[in-house]
Amino acid sequence: KNEVEQSPQNLTAQEGEFITINCSYSVGISALHWLQQHPGGGIVSLFMLSSGKKKHGRLIATINIQEKHSSLHITASHPRDSAVYICAVRSSGGYQKVTFGTGTKLQVIP
Amino acid sequence: DGGITQSPKYLFRKEGQNVTLSCEQNLNHDAMYWYRQDPGQGLRLIYYSQIVNDFQKGDIAEGYSVSREKKESFPLTVTSAQKNPTAFYLCASSILAGAYEQYFGPGTRLTVT
Repeated sequence: KNEVEQSPQNLTAQEGEFITINCSYSVGISALHWLQQHPGGGIVSLFMLSSGKKKHGRLIATINIQEKHSSLHITASHPRDSAVYICAVRSSGGYQKVTFGTGTKLQVIP
Repeated sequence: DGGITQSPKYLFRKEGQNVTLSCEQNLNHDAMYWYRQDPGQGLRLIYYSQIVNDFQKGDIAEGYSVSREKKESFPLTVTSAQKNPTAFYLCASSILAGAYEQYFGPGTRLTVT
């Protein structure tokens, strides 16, 4: 079993829909990251969180430490949101290794 | 503008040749990282450097080498010993190693035939 599991792997939505991407992990963590990778390959960090909830524009990230689960929500989705969304967890203690999920490929159709 | 640059964007090499991928940052970050991305897999850490003149092996270091002679630069050499070198390579940096946000470069897609 992978240390970081994302669901769904692929997601197609109509413009304007509310989108949820889920991330479950199995190790103790110090932080969880949500990243966005566009078709060209470059990666942008969206959120780093260790508890609660963060919001930036139409994006909301939540984490439940007890349940080892995080969600990324996109409100009023737009075709420019089409990208791969990657969850990554930073383990607690020591070097704090980062383990990446395999990503969720989102396509938003006009 | 501050950021991370990787060059070239696409690189083609013949099997048996060593190839060096460039990574430069002007963010004044101490820590730098090299990751490999393959289809259907998460990013995997090749090497990381917490400070100049120091670097550590990551999870998949075999067949790769790095140097960190300057704070701004962290080149990765893919040697002929790397059995499956064709992949997308991403460089990243952070202020310090540990629980800090990583900033990624645009990546280099290496194809070896």
